[in-house]
Amino acid sequence: NAGVMQNPRHLVRRRGQEARLRCSPMKGHSHVYWYRQLPEEGLKFMVYLQKENIIDESGMPKERFSAEFPKEGPSILRIQQVVRGDSAAYFCASSQDKNYGYTFGSGTRLTVV
Amino acid sequence: QQQVKQSPQSLIVQKGGIPIINCAYENTAFDYFPWYQQFPGKGPALLIAIRPDVSEKKEGRFTISFNKSAKQFSLHIMDSQPGDSATYFCAAENSGGSNYKLTFGKGTLLTVNP
Repeated sequence: NAGVMQNPRHLVRRRGQEARLRCSPMKGHSHVYWYRQLPEEGLKFMVYLQKENIIDESGMPKERFSAEFPKEGPSILRIQQVVRGDSAAYFCASSQDKNYGYTFGSGTRLTVV
Repeated sequence: QQQVKQSPQSLIVQKGGIPIINCAYENTAFDYFPWYQQFPGKGPALLIAIRPDVSEKKEGRFTISFNKSAKQFSLHIMDSQPGDSATYFCAAENSGGSNYKLTFGKGTLLTVNP
């Protein structure tokens, strides 16, 4: 079992570009969660998705951020028109059910220059 | 509003010492308190967790102490080793509400010197 796979590991974008972060959950897991870790901060919940459904996006910024988890393929966190303040580590986690603990991936470090 | 406050921000101990990391929470609806260990370049990994019906839980060298009335919990690492050097996060969850959403503390960078 390869665990939760995130790619890319590192992503550099210029201000105004789009960033796409991918997350493949563990085999058998259909629940995906995205967290953001700002420098010297704890992780903060962004969004919870199941296949083809957004269950809770209460932690997502209202603009420029979106997430999806299609029937086929990885979950995608998309950040449009990135700004320097978006620079952070973005972690994805997955679980087989929302009542089970989840496993984090190694994260994508986004740097906006 | 920071719902889980963690201290200290950083901690240095000698091998064999017992580092203690403390967390305090505000939301009385929280009923699940995990600790995560994170190595550089890696995601957080669940270390140990406790529910408020017990005051202490031990797994190997790691112990959680829980004080429900004070709304505080702490992690103790017995006989610490250089390999324990990592960032430790406490977290809390309301399993009766949105039981998938963890609220994290800001983390403690632990260094264990040989």
